[in-house]
Amino acid sequence: SYELTQPPSVSVSPGQTASITCSGDKLGDKYAYWYQQKPGQSPVAVIYQDNKRPSGIPERFSGSNSGNTATLTISGTQTMDEAHYYCQAWDSGTVVFGGGTKVTVL
Amino acid sequence: QVQLQESGPGLVKPSETLSLTCSVSGVSLTNYYWSWVRQPPGKGLEWIGYIFYSGATKYNPSLENRVAISVDTTRNEFSLNLRSVTAADTAVYYCARHPTVTTSYFHNWGQGSLVTVSS
Repeated sequence: SYELTQPPSVSVSPGQTASITCSGDKLGDKYAYWYQQKPGQSPVAVIYQDNKRPSGIPERFSGSNSGNTATLTISGTQTMDEAHYYCQAWDSGTVVFGGGTKVTVL
Repeated sequence: QVQLQESGPGLVKPSETLSLTCSVSGVSLTNYYWSWVRQPPGKGLEWIGYIFYSGATKYNPSLENRVAISVDTTRNEFSLNLRSVTAADTAVYYCARHPTVTTSYFHNWGQGSLVTVSS
């Protein structure tokens, strides 16, 4: 079965750039999606189709996807960006999620 | 405004069937795909499966021998049945909407329903 691998945690200082990776076999041949989930809340999409932002998502969220790795970048990270982030892809018509990355802003 | 609301028992005994319903408002089930996703306490997201309004389904291979998703377009809701549950099925269960498969993301999510499997 297809697997997506994320680092368990990433730390970033306020105002700096956070980069979260998601690795999978030939992931660059698929679309990558990213969700933000804060404690006690449902996930919210922040990036779709590799690098597009849904309506209402700040411009500081950006994405890329090439080779075996997709990357979510948060530029000028704010304390409100502290959350878990999950990557997602479609494989053979099924949905696969990465294990999630806890982003800590300190 | 699209809203999804999960409902069902919060406690299920081991070996029994977990049943949840997702009531949808603000949009018709027609022409969309509807998924179930779960999240064990303190862990990550796991996709369970989806249904198209026509009734066509696709399941996570790791669960497909125990899961069934159905749709009721007259009531604008869809349901999840998960058979022979164990403690490992304890999770928050979310329902979600996506316009297509393979090229779309989950646009809307329910608030989630915690289901505990315990005797």
